[in-house]
Amino acid sequence: KAGVTQTPRYLIKTRGQQVTLSCSPISGHRSVSWYQQTPGQGLQFLFEYFSETQRNKGNFPGRFSGRQFSNSRSEMNVSTLELGDSALYLCASSPRGEKNTGELFFGEGSRLTVL
Amino acid sequence: GENVEQHPSTLSVQEGDSAVIKCTYSDSASNYFPWYKQELGKRPQLIIDIRSNVGEKKDQRIAVTLNKTAKHFSLHITETQPEDSAVYFCAAVSSGGYNKLIFGAGTRLAVHP
Repeated sequence: KAGVTQTPRYLIKTRGQQVTLSCSPISGHRSVSWYQQTPGQGLQFLFEYFSETQRNKGNFPGRFSGRQFSNSRSEMNVSTLELGDSALYLCASSPRGEKNTGELFFGEGSRLTVL
Repeated sequence: GENVEQHPSTLSVQEGDSAVIKCTYSDSASNYFPWYKQELGKRPQLIIDIRSNVGEKKDQRIAVTLNKTAKHFSLHITETQPEDSAVYFCAAVSSGGYNKLIFGAGTRLAVHP
């Protein structure tokens, strides 16, 4: 099975721009979650989608948004980029959708640099 | 709010020694505790997990213990090898939290030959 695929892998933006990141989960996985990884803040939960519905949202401003499509692929968008948004954005998929969480399978991430 | 504290932030051991990483969680409703290993430039990967109805779990050289009363859980690695060098993250998930993991800040483990 192919793993979790994230695109693009690297991107550079300037302050005020917006960015869209894409994630294709492992085939059959219906849960997709997003995490921001920075050296200072570690891994922070952004949001999680299951069957096109956002089930959980982390403590990030409204500039961060996401969505999931019927084929379980997900996108996240960051508008009005700030320098502090520079980070590795990790997508993870899970085969489990019920309340008992299981293993998350992470993608390699999209590294965003904001200048 | 939900919080997971992880100690130490860095750990240096000699090959063959044991390594212990400790985490404390704040949400008493947490019921699932995974540990992820992230090698340099790689994605995090699950190495072991434990649920709140179990006190200890082992998988070869790795073990995890959970003390629900104290809200502590720990990762134990025995007979460390250089390939164990990585950053280790603990995490906690609240009941009904689905796949929302609250991660600790990470422990950078260095195993010296």
